[in-house]
Amino acid sequence: DQQVKQNSPSLSVQEGRISILNCDYTNSMFDYFLWYKKYPAEGPTFLISISSIKDKNEDGRFTVFLNKSAKHLSLHIVPSQPGDSAVYFCAASLNGGATNKLIFGTGTLLAVQP
Amino acid sequence: GAGVSQTPSNKVTEKGKYVELRCDPISGHTALYWYRQSLGQGPEFLIYFQGTGAADDSGLPNDRFFAVRPEGSVSTLKIQRTERGDSAVYLCASSPGTGVYGYTFGSGTRLTVV
Repeated sequence: DQQVKQNSPSLSVQEGRISILNCDYTNSMFDYFLWYKKYPAEGPTFLISISSIKDKNEDGRFTVFLNKSAKHLSLHIVPSQPGDSAVYFCAASLNGGATNKLIFGTGTLLAVQP
Repeated sequence: GAGVSQTPSNKVTEKGKYVELRCDPISGHTALYWYRQSLGQGPEFLIYFQGTGAADDSGLPNDRFFAVRPEGSVSTLKIQRTERGDSAVYLCASSPGTGVYGYTFGSGTRLTVV
């Protein structure tokens, strides 16, 4: 049972345009959501997060939106740059941070074309 | 060191053999996590340490898997009687403590069981 789903395995965007990566979840008890970026042969790198009590969090070119009623979150990158090309994982946390265990989606490969 | 260090970076072993994977977290980080990433999947939680104790080992798939962190710093993931299905990238992450969600991952150990 996949509790966190990223239905788009890949996305291709032109440099300078907006990249929108989507994530759906099934468990309404998730209290925190995060996005990680992963380059080949490296570990995932934390990008941005959002608490379940918020609906938007912005950090530079990156904005995460949370729609609790739809159990959906999205990551917007604008403007997209070739260095943003990587696999992006959506993750969710349960248990109010007691163990800080994360449940990851399967990832979306973003390719930003120069 | 500056980041989370995992050794070896690659390990090839024969089916039925015993392997140990090592994780050296960021100095001072009390929380340590092991995840496993299979091909085409997101990281999957295995075990969480707070200090020396395993606070949550609910992700360990069976009793062939065991992890220790005897002095609250370096951790070793041990796999007995390896099977081909154990082939994956094993990721270690650390964070300063509970409630800190964007923890830092190492580059992982790619385990191949032949």
